[in-house]
Amino acid sequence: DARVTQTPRHKVTEMGQEVTMRCQPILGHNTVFWYRQTMMQGLELLAYFRNRAPLDDSGMPKDRFSAEMPDATLATLKIQPSEPRDSAVYFCASGGPDRANYGYTFGSGTRLTVV
Amino acid sequence: GQNIDQPTEMTATEGAIVQINCTYQTSGFNGLFWYQQHAGEAPTFLSYNVLDGLEEKGRFSSFLSRSKGYSYLLLKELQMKDSASYLCAVGGAGGGNKLTFGTGTQLKVEL
Repeated sequence: DARVTQTPRHKVTEMGQEVTMRCQPILGHNTVFWYRQTMMQGLELLAYFRNRAPLDDSGMPKDRFSAEMPDATLATLKIQPSEPRDSAVYFCASGGPDRANYGYTFGSGTRLTVV
Repeated sequence: GQNIDQPTEMTATEGAIVQINCTYQTSGFNGLFWYQQHAGEAPTFLSYNVLDGLEEKGRFSSFLSRSKGYSYLLLKELQMKDSASYLCAVGGAGGGNKLTFGTGTQLKVEL
């Protein structure tokens, strides 16, 4: 089965440190999303890319978050400096032209804890 | 803004049928998705509707009415493993290919 791969699966870091999360979308998928999920807010869209171009990052705190796609096989989400309120599960999802049948596929997520 | 509403929680009995509703008010629309998410896991795709009507996939069916901004997910012959959160998501809400999720409905299936 084709999978979206996210690393790391878990990350514990101290406040003020830089955090980088990585995502490898499914080969051939041209749309990539970054979401943050918390109990209180549910799934919040942070940023998304189409054909590697950033289309919308309005959901992302610009002062500390950044998202990039340096190539078609890698998407990154960075937080610098990290704060305790950033503690959440961060999901990457990708989709292609067959999304009507298969939807967007989510990675397993990165569980981030900032202490 | 974009508004997607679902009930927070529902409880149903094993073997029964349950309908989970979703209403939306968005400035763009290019399809409605339903996802299932078990605790501690990633959301998994269940269904997609872009035209009005009912789409059936085994025990799960999804309905869409674009004029009413309304969808439902119908689960038949409920099993204990169906206990999960069910997420409604609108494609194109706010424009482009954005995929915006509701807060999810936590379904508990009891004996």
